[in-house]
Amino acid sequence: LAKTTQPISMDSYEGQEVNITCSHNNIATNDYITWYQQFPSQGPRFIIQGYKTKVTNEVASLFIPADRKSSTLSLPRVSLSDTAVYYCLVGGMGGATNKLIFGTGTLLAVQP
Amino acid sequence: EPEVTQTPSHQVTQMGQEVILRCVPISNHLYFYWYRQILGQKVEFLVSFYNNEISEKSEIFDDQFSVERPDGSNFTLKIRSTKLEDSAMYFCASGILQGSYYEQYFGPGTRLTVT
Repeated sequence: LAKTTQPISMDSYEGQEVNITCSHNNIATNDYITWYQQFPSQGPRFIIQGYKTKVTNEVASLFIPADRKSSTLSLPRVSLSDTAVYYCLVGGMGGATNKLIFGTGTLLAVQP
Repeated sequence: EPEVTQTPSHQVTQMGQEVILRCVPISNHLYFYWYRQILGQKVEFLVSFYNNEISEKSEIFDDQFSVERPDGSNFTLKIRSTKLEDSAMYFCASGILQGSYYEQYFGPGTRLTVT
């Protein structure tokens, strides 16, 4: 499984766009990039997943350059409730395990 | 929206006792997991379960741990003889392939406190 590197923490203000970048230099051809969000004392929650280029859903956008060695999670107009830990995960899918290997994540603190 | 449920929300037990943590995965999901998170640490994979058998387990998942899907809806994690270091938040998850992507849904967790 590819190792990921992301900032330990980030600060932002309400209404701003937040971009969290993750490095995954050893990503394999069949690996997907997935981002999860975790609030204190809650289970992680799926945000978005992509393989290449750009993916957008109602919550976030995921930008993946052509070499796929990094990815950027973009959260538009954050609010206080977006304060959480954000995890970047890289791995294959469709197999019998599909286990998720979590790193330490990025603690996003949104201030008023 | 369907969700994974877990019971109890908090379990306190004495060292050496057996505990069973219960989970009800989302009904049409095929992959089931247990993860744990010790306070202040990373979420750690314990075991995955597919087609009524363990498909992968981590080093943490030793002989003290077992999983069962006894009735087609529940998914349980049993710790036979708890140790102080088993104190953690235990998350159940279930997963499904959604067209071109794969998503795991996590439950709210069971906080296990071993005294």
